[in-house]
Amino acid sequence: AAGVIQSPRHLIKEKRETATLKCYPIPRHDTVYWYQQGPGQDPQFLISFYEKMQSDKGSIPDRFSAQQFSDYHSELNMSSLELGDSALYFCASSRKSPSEQYFGPGTRLTVT
Amino acid sequence: GQSLEQPSEVTAVEGAIVQINCTYQTSGFYGLSWYQQHDGGAPTFLSYNALDGLEETGRFSSFLSRSDSYGYLLLQELQMKDSASYFCAVSYNTDKLIFGTGTRLQVFP
Repeated sequence: AAGVIQSPRHLIKEKRETATLKCYPIPRHDTVYWYQQGPGQDPQFLISFYEKMQSDKGSIPDRFSAQQFSDYHSELNMSSLELGDSALYFCASSRKSPSEQYFGPGTRLTVT
Repeated sequence: GQSLEQPSEVTAVEGAIVQINCTYQTSGFYGLSWYQQHDGGAPTFLSYNALDGLEETGRFSSFLSRSDSYGYLLLQELQMKDSASYFCAVSYNTDKLIFGTGTRLQVFP
C-alpha cells in the first residue's frame, strides 16, 4: 500500500539559510499535517491543510510557511534557520478524520 | 488547557501484559488515539477510541472513560519488537492532534 513520502530524508543547513521540505500524502487522503519533533520530545503540531486550504495552525514560527499544491503535495518552507530548528519533521495525511493519521518517514534537519 | 499525561517509562518482560495510562485535561474533545514510535522512526497509528469502552486490535487494546478523562493502552503477550515509545493523542473538532509526553516501553527477554 502507498505510504506518505517525504523528501529529503536528511538535510544539513547553516544558520540563516532556507530549507524546503516536501511531502506527498497517501492518494485520496484529504488532509495533510506537519509536525516537528525534537530529541526525546513528542511531535508538535505545526500546520494542516484540508483540500489545499490551510485548516489549522499550531506552534509554527513566523519564519516558517507551508502550502499544499493542486496535486496535493505539500511543502514546508523554513527561512532564517536557527540552531533550535534542528529536529525531525514529519508529514502525515488522513482521510476524513484527524484521529487516524499516517506519518511519513520524516526529514531530519540539522542546522549548524 | 490541553495537556496529556503519561508515565515516562515502563519496563516488562517478554510474554507479559503492560498497561500504559493516559490522563487528559481538555475540552471539545473528539477522541483518544494511540501511536507507536520506534527510535528514529515515524509514529504509527495503533487505535482510536471515540466512545467509552474497550477497543481490541490483536494483542493491543485501548480503553477510554470520558467521565474520568482517562484512557489506557493494553499490550498483551509482549514481544521484544514492542520496545518503543507510545503516545496518546487527542483530537478536536479541528485538524490537529495533540500528543502526550510519551511512554518509553522496554521489553526484556
